[in-house]
Amino acid sequence: DGGITQSPKYLFRKEGQNVTLSCEQNLNHDAMYWYRQDPGQGLRLIYYSQIVNDFQKGDIAEGYSVSREKKESFPLTVTSAQKNPTAFYLCASSIDGQGWRQRNTGELFFGEGSRLTVL
Amino acid sequence: GQQLNQSPQSMFIQEGEDVSMNCTSSSIFNTWLWYKQDPGEGPVLLIALYKAGELTSNGRLTAQFGITRKDSFLNISASIPSDVGIYFCAGPPGNQFYFGTGTSLTVIP
Repeated sequence: DGGITQSPKYLFRKEGQNVTLSCEQNLNHDAMYWYRQDPGQGLRLIYYSQIVNDFQKGDIAEGYSVSREKKESFPLTVTSAQKNPTAFYLCASSIDGQGWRQRNTGELFFGEGSRLTVL
Repeated sequence: GQQLNQSPQSMFIQEGEDVSMNCTSSSIFNTWLWYKQDPGEGPVLLIALYKAGELTSNGRLTAQFGITRKDSFLNISASIPSDVGIYFCAGPPGNQFYFGTGTSLTVIP
């Protein structure tokens, strides 16, 4: 089945450690996104990528890093510089990808999320 | 970032009642999306709207794209217990998607 797969679903990390969250999609979508969700709050954009080998910072990129070496993969690394990393992380993708200057008119599809807890 | 004002923040309703929630933005959107999120899961797309004035239904759900392109609303008719969850509006005014703060719906049997 086509979709977006995030792993792991649950992750525990000690303070000072980096951790990488995986996101893979087989929808042939050009654009991919990472969002952070805190309890009782909406989704905040961390990073997004409209095409391979290109990505842009979202509203809360500090303490995070990404790569987009393949169209289907967009891993997120939560670094030790992120002061409050405990959260629910959501990866998403959309079909539009004609370059980051193009307006995005497509639909956004989500993975099931990864819950990161820092001990 | 882009601000999407979604209201109400939460709703407690009796099973069978109708529900209405809305979302407004500070800029023009070319697409409005409505999602539902169950606890611990990713949001699932309910309805997508692409044209100003468009009214679209998906079962008991109806959503409209406002004429000004700065607002949208979602109605749920004859609510049932499985409607419980958080509903989000979203839209891409440019090359990013922005989300409302969500409406938490509780349905009392």
